[in-house]
Amino acid sequence: GAVVSQHPSWVICKSGTSVKIECRSLDFQATTMFWYRQFPKQSLMLMATSNEGSKATYEQGVEKDKFLINHASLTLSTLTVTSAHPEDSSFYICSARIPSQGHNEQFFGPGTRLTVL
Amino acid sequence: GESVGLHLPTLSVQEGDNSIINCAYSNSASDYFIWYKQESGKGPQFIIDIRSNMDKRQGQRVTVLLNKTVKHLSLQIAATQPGDSAVYFCAETRKAAGNKLTFGGGTRVLVKP
Repeated sequence: GAVVSQHPSWVICKSGTSVKIECRSLDFQATTMFWYRQFPKQSLMLMATSNEGSKATYEQGVEKDKFLINHASLTLSTLTVTSAHPEDSSFYICSARIPSQGHNEQFFGPGTRLTVL
Repeated sequence: GESVGLHLPTLSVQEGDNSIINCAYSNSASDYFIWYKQESGKGPQFIIDIRSNMDKRQGQRVTVLLNKTVKHLSLQIAATQPGDSAVYFCAETRKAAGNKLTFGGGTRVLVKP
């Protein structure tokens, strides 16, 4: 099956620092990946759509200069939380879609728990 | 507005009984629906999907029902097991939205031994 990994699985950082989260599709190529944020006891909220070789598409209310997305290859997308603040503490989850099959199903990574002190 | 929502935030069920989780959606243009299971600290796991041209689909111990007339989606889990304890999300997508997923609020299922 399609496997998506994320690294790191958890990270603790100081306020004002930047944190990079990686999302990799391990056994397939993904031209499109998605980044979600999930606060405790809440649902997943789409932050942005990451497109290989082009700029990411951000959802309304998501600051593109704060959440930098780079989709440098068909198997890797990165999310960088810049100048992190405690309110950015959340569970960040990526997903990838298999485009060649005309498939709508998204395969999710295990998530990254970010805690900003 | 466009949304996908759930009726029950928490469902307690006896082991061995059947579980039914409900979900309402508001956009009649939604053409693909998915149920996900999320265990604590993990990413969502695909359970079953259904396209808008269907009203029922069965998997292993799970059945999804789609009622487009009332914009309602349900997930039935047969013979619920302790390993089914998790939060369940419905999600919808449509081609006009670039196949982006919109998630419902989630229902926590607690299986009592």
